[in-house]
Amino acid sequence: DAGVIQSPRHEVTEMGQEVTLRCKPISGHDYLFWYRQTMMRGLELLIYFNNNVPIDDSGMPEDRFSAKMPNASFSTLKIQPSEPRDSAVYFCASSPASDYGYTFGSGTRLTVV
Amino acid sequence: KQEVTQIPAALSVPEGENLVLNCSFTDSAIYNLQWFRQDPGKGLTSLLLIQSSQREQTSGRLNASLDKSSGRSTLYIAASQPGDSATYLCAVSYYGGATNKLIFGTGTLLAVQP
Repeated sequence: DAGVIQSPRHEVTEMGQEVTLRCKPISGHDYLFWYRQTMMRGLELLIYFNNNVPIDDSGMPEDRFSAKMPNASFSTLKIQPSEPRDSAVYFCASSPASDYGYTFGSGTRLTVV
Repeated sequence: KQEVTQIPAALSVPEGENLVLNCSFTDSAIYNLQWFRQDPGKGLTSLLLIQSSQREQTSGRLNASLDKSSGRSTLYIAASQPGDSATYLCAVSYYGGATNKLIFGTGTLLAVQP
């Protein structure tokens, strides 16, 4: 398995534009997590899915953020409209139903100018 | 509020030295605790997982301990090497939700000097 795959690796966009981040979890993992990492706030959980269903989105900062998981092999995190304070590294991670085997993707570095 | 704190924020040691990284958490009713390593520009790699019923876990030169009563965990690295240079993060999960929903500390940036 190639691990958790995120795209793009880097994204530079202008304020007000829509941004879509993509994630392919490890096959067979029931859980998918979206995290955001900044220098000021560290790693924060934004939302997680269990069997494609959103379970907890309390970490989503604003209505400008939305996430979907249309099937077991794909998830998106969308920001519309983007703002400079959204600049961060966004990580996707997946996990099996057990407690172990947490695997992170390499992240998407988002810069909003 | 459930918070995880790591000290020191940064640490520089000469090669070969043994070292300890610290992690503390405010709510002792944890489900498990994990230590991760993050290399610059990369994702996180899981190093060790300690269940709440366990006191320690070992993997090679790494040993992690857990003391729930005091809300602390330590990561001990023996005979440090330059390749150990990275940011180390601890993360806890709690009962009452998805037990693999992690709350992360802010990390310790480790530099091992050759």
